[in-house]
Amino acid sequence: GAVVSQHPSWVICKSGTSVKIECRSLDFQATTMFWYRQFPKQSLMLMATSNEGSKATYEQGVEKDKFLINHASLTLSTLTVTSAHPEDSSFYICSARGQGLGTDTQYFGPGTRLTVL
Amino acid sequence: AQKITQTQPGMFVQEKEAVTLDCTYDTSDQSYGLFWYKQPSSGEMIFLIYQGSYDEQNATEGRYSLNFQKARKSANLVISASQLGDSAMYFCAMREGWNQGGKLIFGQGTELSVKP
Repeated sequence: GAVVSQHPSWVICKSGTSVKIECRSLDFQATTMFWYRQFPKQSLMLMATSNEGSKATYEQGVEKDKFLINHASLTLSTLTVTSAHPEDSSFYICSARGQGLGTDTQYFGPGTRLTVL
Repeated sequence: AQKITQTQPGMFVQEKEAVTLDCTYDTSDQSYGLFWYKQPSSGEMIFLIYQGSYDEQNATEGRYSLNFQKARKSANLVISASQLGDSAMYFCAMREGWNQGGKLIFGQGTELSVKP
């Protein structure tokens, strides 16, 4: 149980285009989802926290107009990187925390590798 | 100030031996949770083990155990009988309190290499 999926697993896009990444909890209801980005050989950096049906809370330094987060249902959150540039190239990973899972554990998706040309 | 510190950027261990990955934390909260995750080269984050601040016994999950020393604010991960498939990055993480929205703070990670 507690499976989180992400789609796509990798994406290459041209500079200036927008990219949408989906995060789904497959076998539980995710009351809260988190979006992280990770550069090579570095730790995870939290970008934002989203609760179903409300606006996302962004971490300091993260541009909310560039990284649009929508958490429309208890099983789906999306991250849209708008007008992507090469510096946005990174590994984006989501996690979900749900009801009835016992501990306060976050379960992570497999990640999305974004390359902006 | 760093809240989660992993002082070992890289570790080597011989197959079938045990290894300890260090993690220290800093918090003024009485209620918190400590987690260990494994990240293989594929990038997925795999949950290994959880320790609550009020848990009196050290957590164990199969070959993983967490050596929780509250007074020292340390939460070391012990992997027994290492296997080649254990080679990966390992992250220690902390969730502070119950009103922080469940945010996790991650350490810098330790890259473990298991030698045959």
